[in-house]
Amino acid sequence: AQSVTQPDIHITVSEGASLELRCNYSYGATPYLFWYVQSPGQGLQLLLKYFSGDTLVQGIKGFEAEFKRSQSSFNLRKPSVHWSDAAEYFCAVGDHYGGSQGNLIFGKGTKLSVKP
Amino acid sequence: EAGVTQFPSHSVIEKGQTVTLRCDPISGHDNLYWYRRVMGKEIKFLLHFVKESKQDESGMPNNRFLAERTGGTYSTLKVQPAELEDSGVYFCASSQKWATDSYEQYFGPGTRLTVT
Repeated sequence: AQSVTQPDIHITVSEGASLELRCNYSYGATPYLFWYVQSPGQGLQLLLKYFSGDTLVQGIKGFEAEFKRSQSSFNLRKPSVHWSDAAEYFCAVGDHYGGSQGNLIFGKGTKLSVKP
Repeated sequence: EAGVTQFPSHSVIEKGQTVTLRCDPISGHDNLYWYRRVMGKEIKFLLHFVKESKQDESGMPNNRFLAERTGGTYSTLKVQPAELEDSGVYFCASSQKWATDSYEQYFGPGTRLTVT
C-alpha cells in the first residue's frame, strides 16, 4: 500500500541553523510529491511540489526539496531557519492510481520548534 | 481572492448527537476534498467531489458520515450519530480540475470536532 513516512515527530533547531526534514515514501509509480506547512490556527499551505523533471525543487519561504528515487526520499531543506518557520510540516504523495485523481496521502507530520 | 473557509472552527458535541461541518471552496475550483486528522495520526483522505458528483468516497469511515455538495459550490459533511472516535480535525481542500492542477490543493483551517 502507498504510504509516507516522516521519521521525526518533533525537531528543535536554533534560529539561523540549517534544517532538514526527512520524508520517505512507498509508491508503485512515479510519485507526485508535496510538502505542506501548517502554522498554528492556519490551514495547510503548499510549500513545494514535484511532478517530474529537475529533482531539486524550490519552494516558497526559502525552502527546497530533493527527490531521490533510489532512496524513495523527498527531504525538505532550508539553509537558515527563522523563528517564523516554527510550525508542523507534512510530506504527501499524490495518489494517481486508479480512477481517482488528486487524493493526497500524508505522513504523520514533523513539528518544528525554533530556539532563539 | 478568498481562500477555503470552514465552519465552525471548533465543535464540541456529545456522543449520539449530530454535527454538520461546512466547507466553502475557492470560487471556480471544481475539485473539493475532505480529509480528517485523528490525534497523533496522519491526515487521511475521506472523499472527493468533482463539482456536485462524488468522485471517490473510499475514505469515508462508515455510513454515519454523509457528504453533500449541492450545486457544486459549498459542501457539508454530516456525522450522525457521532461517536467518540470521530473526534479530530476535519480539513477541506479545493483545487482546479485538470491533471496535475488537481493535486495543488488549497486547504482550509479545519474544523476541530470533539465528541464527549
